[in-house]
Amino acid sequence: AQSVAQPEDQVNVAEGNPLTVKCTYSVSGNPYLFWYVQYPNRGLQFLLKYITGDNLVKGSYGFEAEFNKSQTSFHLKKPSALVSDSALYFCAVNNAGNMLTFGGGTRLMVKP
Amino acid sequence: SAVISQKPSRDICQRGTSLTIQCQVDSQVTMMFWYRQQPGQSLTLIATANQGSEATYESGFVIDKFPISRPNLTFSTLTVSNMSPEDSSIYLCSVAAGYSNQPQHFGDGTRLSIL
Repeated sequence: AQSVAQPEDQVNVAEGNPLTVKCTYSVSGNPYLFWYVQYPNRGLQFLLKYITGDNLVKGSYGFEAEFNKSQTSFHLKKPSALVSDSALYFCAVNNAGNMLTFGGGTRLMVKP
Repeated sequence: SAVISQKPSRDICQRGTSLTIQCQVDSQVTMMFWYRQQPGQSLTLIATANQGSEATYESGFVIDKFPISRPNLTFSTLTVSNMSPEDSSIYLCSVAAGYSNQPQHFGDGTRLSIL
């Protein structure tokens, strides 16, 4: 079985500061990892994915994520946070067919 | 990526009634999924909508409560039957190309409240 953990329910960061949203996973075999963002009253929007290759993956809106196989982590990062980045973030893993397993979500609050 | 339209965007219903949610995609897609999400919480997969055959339901979800149709490769419906307040939730449609390394793309959801 595959699983995803997002250990922080909420992350608070000041605008302009770097942000990190943590994600760890458990799968058998090689994982396909995804980050999604959800704004109020919207569905999930795809941010980025790791399939293979370079451990640092760049995605939409200036976000990037670092895959660490030994730590089974896939943390989402951004060098300089914006107030508009405030949203709910989900990490997800897929290595069995097309079934995505989502983490519990992390609410990012960026304060001016 | 595909453009996904869900209708209605929100509704308030009486207990004991049923509501059908529609999901329309602007291009043919291999996979369509239905999820449930409590506000601010994670997503739970209800079922995979299969074109031309019965949907594949996850543990805890049954066809009598959540009948699903998928008549073609661009459209699916989810019905929430005999609703109770516990069914108050956000229902999301998603689509995928059919490969594990490709992301799913989501509609904006249907926000359902049961009185």
